[in-house]
Amino acid sequence: EVQLVESGGGLVKPGGSLRLSCAASGFTFSYYNMNWVRQAPGKGLEWVSSISSSGSSIYYADSVKGRFTISRDNAKNSLYFQMNSLRAEDTAVYYCARELGDCGGGSCSSAEYFQHWGQGTLVSVSS
Amino acid sequence: EIVLTQSPATLSLSPGDRATLSCRASQSIRSYLAWYQQRPGQAPRLLIYDASNRATGIPARFSGSGSGTDFTLTISTLEPEDFAVYYCQQRSNWPPLTFGGGTKVEMK
Repeated sequence: EVQLVESGGGLVKPGGSLRLSCAASGFTFSYYNMNWVRQAPGKGLEWVSSISSSGSSIYYADSVKGRFTISRDNAKNSLYFQMNSLRAEDTAVYYCARELGDCGGGSCSSAEYFQHWGQGTLVSVSS
Repeated sequence: EIVLTQSPATLSLSPGDRATLSCRASQSIRSYLAWYQQRPGQAPRLLIYDASNRATGIPARFSGSGSGTDFTLTISTLEPEDFAVYYCQQRSNWPPLTFGGGTKVEMK
């Protein structure tokens, strides 16, 4: 069974930092592109960042570019999100999400849809 | 950036009714559209990808159609567990990957 478990959320002051983690199990983590998607309280979904299976390709939404850094450790089956210079508008539940399809076995059939999601971790930015 | 506009914002229906949800893209996204369901307090669940393909384990009462700029999610016969918020998402032209604002299907 695919499991994604986020951790590291909490209350932080504006300008502060947090590091989110996502522990993956039940699948070959190194075969899959991974993403962070967030949802502000009572609002819709917002994609924030993607990282390819090898970590060689990384993308960010403009709203977080230059402040947040996505990374992964395939040996530890873990995804990370370093969040610096946090703002009130970054307050949200952050989900890690695995893409549909995989990039294993020498070929890539990944599609940028989110097939599996974690339960989310809440980040609150407030003074 | 491709903007996805969902309508209506809220759909008030009864169990057993048919639900028709719309998603319109600001430019052609071919068939690169997904639909998600989100129940209160839960993570989203992938229902449909590439406009019309049901994801693993999704009941046949959910179907998707459309291409280009206009897409539809249809729930043929609403079950009590289908009352939720539904989002569309495109992957045609990214970054950024974008979502629609959501349609809430509520019980009348």
